[in-house]
Amino acid sequence: DVKVTQSSRYLVKRTGEKVFLECVQDMDHENMFWYRQDPGLGLRLIYFSYDVKMKEKGDIPEGYSVSREKKERFSLILESASTNQTSMYLCASSTTQGARGYTFGSGTRLTVV
Amino acid sequence: SQQGEEDPQALSIQEGENATMNCSYKTSINNLQWYRQNSGRGLVHLILIRSNEREKHSGRLRVTLDTSKKSSSLLITASRAADTASYFCATDASSSGTYKYIFGTGTRLKVLA
Repeated sequence: DVKVTQSSRYLVKRTGEKVFLECVQDMDHENMFWYRQDPGLGLRLIYFSYDVKMKEKGDIPEGYSVSREKKERFSLILESASTNQTSMYLCASSTTQGARGYTFGSGTRLTVV
Repeated sequence: SQQGEEDPQALSIQEGENATMNCSYKTSINNLQWYRQNSGRGLVHLILIRSNEREKHSGRLRVTLDTSKKSSSLLITASRAADTASYFCATDASSSGTYKYIFGTGTRLKVLA
């Protein structure tokens, strides 16, 4: 069964900490994405990558960075966590054509205290 | 701002009834997809409809697309309690071929047994 795996379901971090969210896919997909989901705001794109070592900013990249050193792994980094980054983070992947849709991970619920 | 907006925001129906959700978007699209999200989990791809298609079926799901009105609808027939979830439309309007989808804020469907 193909899947996208996010390393943690729940995470609690302190303000100012550097936070790493990991995402691994086993489908050999070229594209990978990080979204955050907040009530009333839907899913908002943070960053995406269409190839190893390639990345592009989404709609809300401020306060985040990403790393894609290998095709199967896409990491989201919160350089200095803040309380307004408390959210559900969703990773997704797709083929280059994207026409079969995204495959999502189960999500990481991050709380910054 | 969101490309896709779902309507209604919330819907409550009895088991066996049909559920209809609508999505409106702002700019021309290449294709439109519908996703389901069970509480606290990742999104699951349901169906894709291309801009040159008007209707598509998958099991109990029927999706229509009206590009002149920039709107789509998702119909779930003979609903079941297990259909209780949030439903999102996602549109791909990219001209660069990056297949970057923009998600709406979702419709919360509750099916009462």
